[in-house]
Amino acid sequence: AQSVAQPEDQVNVAEGNPLTVKCTYSVSGNPYLFWYVQYPNRGLQFLLKYITGDNLVKGSYGFEAEFNKSQTSFHLKKPSALVSDSALYFCAVRDANNFNKFYFGSGTKLNVKP
Amino acid sequence: ETGVTQSPTHLIKTRGQQVTLRCSSQSGHNTVSWYQQALGQGPQFIFQYYREEENGRGNFPPRFSGLQFPNYSSELNVNALELDDSALYLCASSRPSQGGITEAFFGQGTRLTVV
Repeated sequence: AQSVAQPEDQVNVAEGNPLTVKCTYSVSGNPYLFWYVQYPNRGLQFLLKYITGDNLVKGSYGFEAEFNKSQTSFHLKKPSALVSDSALYFCAVRDANNFNKFYFGSGTKLNVKP
Repeated sequence: ETGVTQSPTHLIKTRGQQVTLRCSSQSGHNTVSWYQQALGQGPQFIFQYYREEENGRGNFPPRFSGLQFPNYSSELNVNALELDDSALYLCASSRPSQGGITEAFFGQGTRLTVV
């Protein structure tokens, strides 16, 4: 069975500071991991994905994520947070057989304060 | 923007009624799926359509049904609405892949309120 967990409901960070949003996963087979962001009253926007290869994945808007197989984690990071990064972030794992079937975490609300 | 459009953006229905939500996929995307996102939760997979046939279903009752049309647009139908069906319904499409793993592109969602 595939699942992801986001242990933090909310993360608060000051603008200019580095941010980390945590995600752990549980999969049978290869992990195909994704991060999406959701702004208020909007759909989900793709940030980045890990399929294979380099453990550090770079994505949109300066975000990156680090895949750690031994810790079964896929944490989202950004070196310097912006107020405009404030949003709801979802970690997801793709089903092994269905292209569009994703298992999402419960989401982490990121608050970046000026 | 993702190129996936959904209509309507908001909808209010009465318990017991039926509703149809629509989704226009991004050009060239032949796979579409629907998700339900209840308030404060992550999206939950309802079902997926590939080449006009249902190709995977989540833990939702049969009163949730769908269609995919030859132009790859899609509908989600919900019969006998219940109060717990109130949620944001998201449509996602993806392009065909030759062994690669592609991301899904989401529409802005339809906010359904059942009263």
